[in-house]
Parts: sequence; C-alpha cells; structure tokens
Amino acid sequence: EPEVTQTPSHQVTQMGQEVILRCVPISNHLYFYWYRQILGQKVEFLVSFYNNEISEKSEIFDDQFSVERPDGSNFTLKIRSTKLEDSAMYFCASRPDSPLNEQFFGPGTRLTVL
Amino acid sequence: AQSVTQLGSHVSVSEGALVLLRCNYSSSVPPYLFWYVQYPNQGLQLLLKYTTGATLVKGINGFEAEFKKSETSFHLTKPSAHMSDAAEYFCAVSEGETSGSRLTFGEGTQLTVNP
Repeated sequence: EPEVTQTPSHQVTQMGQEVILRCVPISNHLYFYWYRQILGQKVEFLVSFYNNEISEKSEIFDDQFSVERPDGSNFTLKIRSTKLEDSAMYFCASRPDSPLNEQFFGPGTRLTVL
Repeated sequence: AQSVTQLGSHVSVSEGALVLLRCNYSSSVPPYLFWYVQYPNQGLQLLLKYTTGATLVKGINGFEAEFKKSETSFHLTKPSAHMSDAAEYFCAVSEGETSGSRLTFGEGTQLTVNP
C-alpha cells in the first residue's frame, strides 16, 4: 500500500541552525501539507501546497519557514534559523485531488532544537 | 473559522467495554469530519470520515461515528474495547475547498484499555 515517507525520523540541531525536513508524498497525490505537534499539544496546520505554490498557510508559518517541491517526488520544509520553540514532531501529509478524500500522514520527524 | 473540542483528554475503559470518545466541532460551512488514531511513535492513521451522505459512518477496527448536525457532534464509538485500541485519538474538521481543506485538530484523547 502506498504511504507517505519522511526523513529523518529524528533531527537534533543547535538554535539558529537551518534544518530541512524531507517528505515523499504518495505518487499520484496533488495536495501536500505540513503539520506540527509540540509535545503534549494538539496537531497544528502549518501550510498547504498545490500546483507548485502555497495555497494556504497558518500564522505559525512565518518568514523563517519555507516549502519546496524540488523534483517530482520530494516535498521539503525548511526552517532557516531554528528556535527552541520549533522543537516538535513535524508531519507531512498528502491527498488526491478531491477534498472528499482524507489526508494521508507520514510517520513524522521529531525535531529537537538545543 | 473551524474548531474542534474533544471532551476528556484521558479515557480509561475495561477490555470488552464500550468506547465513547467525544468530539464537538464548529464550522461556518458544512464540515468534513475525521477521526485519526496515533499509536506510540507512529504517524496519524485514518479511522473514519464523514463528508456527505449517511450520517453514521463505519471505519476500521470496529469503530464508528455519527454526525449529528443539530448537536455539532461527531462522537466515536466502539462496542467492545480491545487492548490493541490503546492509543491517542484525534478528531479533525475540514471546511473542504473553502479553507484549502486544512485540517483543524482537537486536543486528542488518550485511550487506555485495562485488562
């Protein structure tokens, strides 16, 4: 069964460093998402991406964040200068064309900022 | 704006007992509703969804949920709990294309199943 994959599973970085989180969505999906879950809190929407551009972003997704689909398979989230409060589990998701379809989530990348 | 409230951050049941996890939502348009389950150190897996049509929806692992518009609720039930049901459960709402289909999640309910 097709699945969303994410790498790495765990990333440790120093405050102020840049990190890139990688995702491979399901191949025939058209919409891509990033969510994050701070430990003990609920899952929060960050950004959605369609047709090679951001379709929606939350207030969390400030200028420190960017997303890219550099080729036909990968979908990346970059944090330019990490802060302690960026420590969280980051989930990538994808879905087919219709909003009637559910989003399929990857296993997540745990980001720890020291 | 859309929002979700899950009543009870922790629910504990005995094996074989009824599972009831509560979810209330707020949406400015007809909502799409989802229940996801998260096992330890894993991602989110869809249990079931309501988009249109029949208001009682059945999902995987014996779970079902009923969309009640008048009560703005989408409670998750299972007649008989198994030990393997122990996990965290998230209710989520989407307003479809009006919001780019972003999901708004509730706080989550940790289900414990006692032998």
